[in-house]
Amino acid sequence: DTGVSQDPRHKITKRGQNVTFRCDPISEHNRLYWYRQTLGQGPEFLTYFQNEAQLEKSRLLSDRFSAERPKGSFSTLEIQRTEQGDSAMYLCASSLYDTTEAFFGQGTRLTVV
Amino acid sequence: AQSVTQPDIHITVSEGASLELRCNYSYGATPYLFWYVQSPGQGLQLLLKYFSGDTLVQGIKGFEAEFKRSQSSFNLRKPSVHWSDAAEYFCAVGGLSGSARQLTFGSGTQLTVLP
Repeated sequence: DTGVSQDPRHKITKRGQNVTFRCDPISEHNRLYWYRQTLGQGPEFLTYFQNEAQLEKSRLLSDRFSAERPKGSFSTLEIQRTEQGDSAMYLCASSLYDTTEAFFGQGTRLTVV
Repeated sequence: AQSVTQPDIHITVSEGASLELRCNYSYGATPYLFWYVQSPGQGLQLLLKYFSGDTLVQGIKGFEAEFKRSQSSFNLRKPSVHWSDAAEYFCAVGGLSGSARQLTFGSGTQLTVLP
């Protein structure tokens, strides 16, 4: 296993369009996290899955955002009706347990024009 | 609420020189503290973490950090910087046993290394 992988690496979309990102965690990791990182800032927590259950959502996750993790494996993050303020790097991370190290993917950079 | 301040947005050092990156945190109890590095086009990589015990923590790539409760600081140090250390460094504080779902990151310090 080569670590957490995210697809696509870059996405440019027009305002108002929907976009979907995918994250494949390390295979044995049942915890999965999504973060958002805007320019000049550190990552901010968005949401957390334990297996297929979405257990926690940040207030940053507006109604236009939805995340899923069917079957507890890969996860998708969808943004509907994108806005320019959604432009950011979206990072995914996974860990084996809640208290063990989280490994981050390379991120998906979203640009909304 | 927990928070992290990294006072230096950008630091430039010469290769071979020593390095110290500052981090101050705010947390109501004993914090879990982390330093991550992010190279261009790469995800975050954990350098080291502090949960309890010895306040001087050794990490990967020759980095160390010292937890000072009285100063609410967790500064990252390296005695001799290599050109490959050029990257962005993030300090983070977490509760809940250091779970990644409760991490609060600082805004980062960009490190430039001069030849």
